[in-house]
Order: sequence, then C-alpha cells, then structure tokens
Amino acid sequence: DAGITQSPRHKVTETGTPVTLRCHQTENHRYMYWYRQDPGHGLRLIHYSYGVKDTDKGEVSDGYSVSRSKTEDFLLTLESATSSQTSVYFCAIRPGRLASNEQFFGPGTRLTVL
Amino acid sequence: TQLLEQSPQFLSIQEGENLTVYCNSSSVFSSLQWYRQEPGEGPVLLVTVVTGGEVKKLKRLTFQFGDARKDSSLHITAAQTGDTGLYLCAGEETSGSRLTFGEGTQLTVNP
Repeated sequence: DAGITQSPRHKVTETGTPVTLRCHQTENHRYMYWYRQDPGHGLRLIHYSYGVKDTDKGEVSDGYSVSRSKTEDFLLTLESATSSQTSVYFCAIRPGRLASNEQFFGPGTRLTVL
Repeated sequence: TQLLEQSPQFLSIQEGENLTVYCNSSSVFSSLQWYRQEPGEGPVLLVTVVTGGEVKKLKRLTFQFGDARKDSSLHITAAQTGDTGLYLCAGEETSGSRLTFGEGTQLTVNP
C-alpha cells in the first residue's frame, strides 16, 4: 500500500464550474503526478511535481492547473470545466528510493462534466 | 513526447491458451514497466525491465525488453480467468522524470 488517497472518488459537475481534485500521500515522496485516462488513450500526463511549489506541465496540461503547498498534497484544478474533461483522473507517486521511475497509483476520481 | 504503441488493443482467449502483448516505439527508453489495471482501480506495477535484452519471469508471465530498449513484450502462459484486466506498458523517458504509457491491451480470459 503506497498510502495514496484521492478525493472525491466521484464527482458530477456542470460546464463552466471550477473543480478541484485532491491527492494525498502519507510517505513524503518527492514526485507526484496527475494523469487522465480515456478509452483508446491509455494514461496521459497532465502535470507533475518534483517538490513543494515545483511543478511542470505534461502532454495534456491545457485547461488544468496544479498546486503543491505541502509535500503530502497535490491538487489538480479545472478552472472552468468542459465536457472534454470528463474522464477518470489518477494520481501517482514515485518513491525516491527506487532507481527507475516506478510509479504507484491512487484509486482514481471519476469526473463527469455535463 | 516519446510514443509507445501497444498491440493488440483487445484480446479475448480461452482459459489455458497462451498470449503475447507487444509494446513498440521508435524511441529509446531508460526502463520499461508493465502495469495491470482492474475496473475501478488504479494501475498496479507488475515489473520493471532496465537492461536491453533483459527477460524477467513472474510465475506464468514473461517480460522481455528489446536489445535496443525500444520495445517490450509480455507473454502469458496457460492464461487463467484471473489474468483478465487491462495491461499497460510504460516507458521511462531518458530525462527520468516522466513515463509514457501505451494505450493498453484489454485482456479477457474466458472459462
């Protein structure tokens, strides 16, 4: 158990509303990631963080922002949700003790934008 | 961004059959990982291969990394219904900070 929780687990919202998803880890890992998973696309990286207040964009970052003010929390915000952002969102951590970029995933958040 | 192509996208077989899933790229990866995902859950790491030509076995699962570190395969011997799931390959970019995922192979093993 990598000690990763995501909240909420399910959310339905309307187009144009702001949405924040939270990822929480209990083991003080430096690297944290946000992905979205859609049929036929596998997992696509949205943003990642390599430390408190240190973040970088992934391949599908448009329309998303992130913040990491504490080691244990990584927040993903949709400033104005659109229907194309309906997806399952996964948070992942990378334990620093491992030489390779092996990642461990949270249970996911299913977001529906109407 | 480096790309990984995974094939086949869907695979439905009978229990006891063997199967192979492929993961191919034109790019070199520092390492390659295989994950398995069940409905409603996050992916779970199965194995990491690092060295070109490396072969790793995990019970009935055999993983191979290509000599040039551009491709990988997953072979399952005598598949069981419990092997059903989505199999994802992921390559570690040479920068080390990101993974590139394939589209996944949805495996269904029928009794």
